[in-house]
Amino acid sequence: EAGVTQFPSHSVIEKGQTVTLRCDPISGHDNLYWYRRVMGKEIKFLLHFVKESKQDESGMPNNRFLAERTGGTYSTLKVQPAELEDSGVYFCASSRDSRTQYFGPGTRLTVL
Amino acid sequence: AQSVTQLGSHVSVSEGALVLLRCNYSSSVPPYLFWYVQYPNQGLQLLLKYTSAATLVKGINGFEAEFKKSETSFHLTKPSAHMSDAAEYFCAVTLVNTGFQKLVFGTGTRLLVSP
Repeated sequence: EAGVTQFPSHSVIEKGQTVTLRCDPISGHDNLYWYRRVMGKEIKFLLHFVKESKQDESGMPNNRFLAERTGGTYSTLKVQPAELEDSGVYFCASSRDSRTQYFGPGTRLTVL
Repeated sequence: AQSVTQLGSHVSVSEGALVLLRCNYSSSVPPYLFWYVQYPNQGLQLLLKYTSAATLVKGINGFEAEFKKSETSFHLTKPSAHMSDAAEYFCAVTLVNTGFQKLVFGTGTRLLVSP
């Protein structure tokens, strides 16, 4: 069984540009989560999808962040326009039964 | 609101020595607790979890953790460290009032293993 995959593994952009991160969950997992780790700090929850619906987006920092999960399969997280403080590692996770979340390798975003 | 505290951003041990990584949580309701590990250039891997069954939980690679409600702790241990255990370890909690959906993480502890 393939694990959670994320693309790209690393992205370097300039302030003001747009970046889209992609997450492919484990097949059959209805729950999909986004987390972020800013350098030196804890991993923080961003939002949770159940299939294509946003169940909880209480962790989204501001309206520059837009997450979608059309069709209930893969998800994208768009940052537009990117700011310096958006730099960090963005993790995606998925779960079948909500008791165990399986994480992807993360996307390291650097905003210059 | 729940929170997780991991004491020590870095822990150094010698190969063969006991590994003890500390985790304390704050919660007003019974939690689920997790330890994840991140090896260099890899994602987060689940080591073990406590979900209200046995308080002593065994995980992969010889690690175990004990849930102690009276101490609000969930410390991670391994009797004998191996060089391959060098990684960053994260303790996390989730609660019934979030449907156990939202993980709250500690700041992580980097384990260094010397020969």
